[in-house]
Amino acid sequence: SQTIHQWPATLVQPVGSPLSLECTVEGTSNPNLYWYRQAAGRGLQLLFYSVGIGQISSEVPQNLSASRPQDRQFILSSKKLLLSDSGFYLCAWTAGDRGEEQYFGPGTRLTVT
Amino acid sequence: AQSVSQHNHHVILSEAASLELGCNYSYGGTVNLFWYVQYPGQHLQLLLKYFSGDPLVKGIKGFEAEFIKSKFSFNLRKPSVQWSDTAEYFCAVTPNTGFQKLVFGTGTRLLVSP
Repeated sequence: SQTIHQWPATLVQPVGSPLSLECTVEGTSNPNLYWYRQAAGRGLQLLFYSVGIGQISSEVPQNLSASRPQDRQFILSSKKLLLSDSGFYLCAWTAGDRGEEQYFGPGTRLTVT
Repeated sequence: AQSVSQHNHHVILSEAASLELGCNYSYGGTVNLFWYVQYPGQHLQLLLKYFSGDPLVKGIKGFEAEFIKSKFSFNLRKPSVQWSDTAEYFCAVTPNTGFQKLVFGTGTRLLVSP
C-alpha cells in the first residue's frame, strides 16, 4: 500500500534562517506531488505541484521554493524564513491528473520566531 | 479564478442531531467536487467525491452530499451525528479538464457534544 511521510513533524526556526521540509512517497511510481500550506481560518493553499522529476510549478509568489530530486521525493525550501512563513505544511500525492483523490501526509508545523 | 466558500466556520451539535455544512464554489465550467475531513491528530482524508452522474453521493461513515449545479453548491449532510464526527471539514473543487489542482474552502470545525 502507499504511504506518505513528512519530516520533521514540528519545527521552530528564527527569522532569516533556512528551511528544508521533506516529503517522500512509498508504494507508487511517478506520482503527482503537491505542497499546501494550511493557515488558521484560511483553509489549504496550494503552493507548488510537480508532475515529474525536476518539474515544479508554483502557484503563488512567495518566499519558498520546491524541488523534486527523485521520483518520490518532494522538498520545500527557503533561504531566509519570514514570520509570515509560519503555518502547517502538507504534502500530498495523486496517481493521476484527472480528478483522482489526493492523499495527504501528516504535515509539518512550522513556527518562525 | 476558482473559489470555494464554506459559510459555517464553527458548528456545535449534540449527538443525534442532523448536520448540514454549506459549500458553494465559483467556477464557470464543469467541476469535480470533494469533501475532506481531518480528525484530531490524523491526516486529512477523503470523505466523498462527485465527478458525474447521480448528484447525490454517499461517502464514508454515513455522510452524503448533494451537487446542485444551478446553485453551485455541494452541501454535506449527515442525519445523525456522533461524538466521533468531531473534526474539521473541507470542501474542495477542481476543474473537470486539465491538470487537477484542488481549491479548498476555509474549513468548518464541527464539535459534537456527547
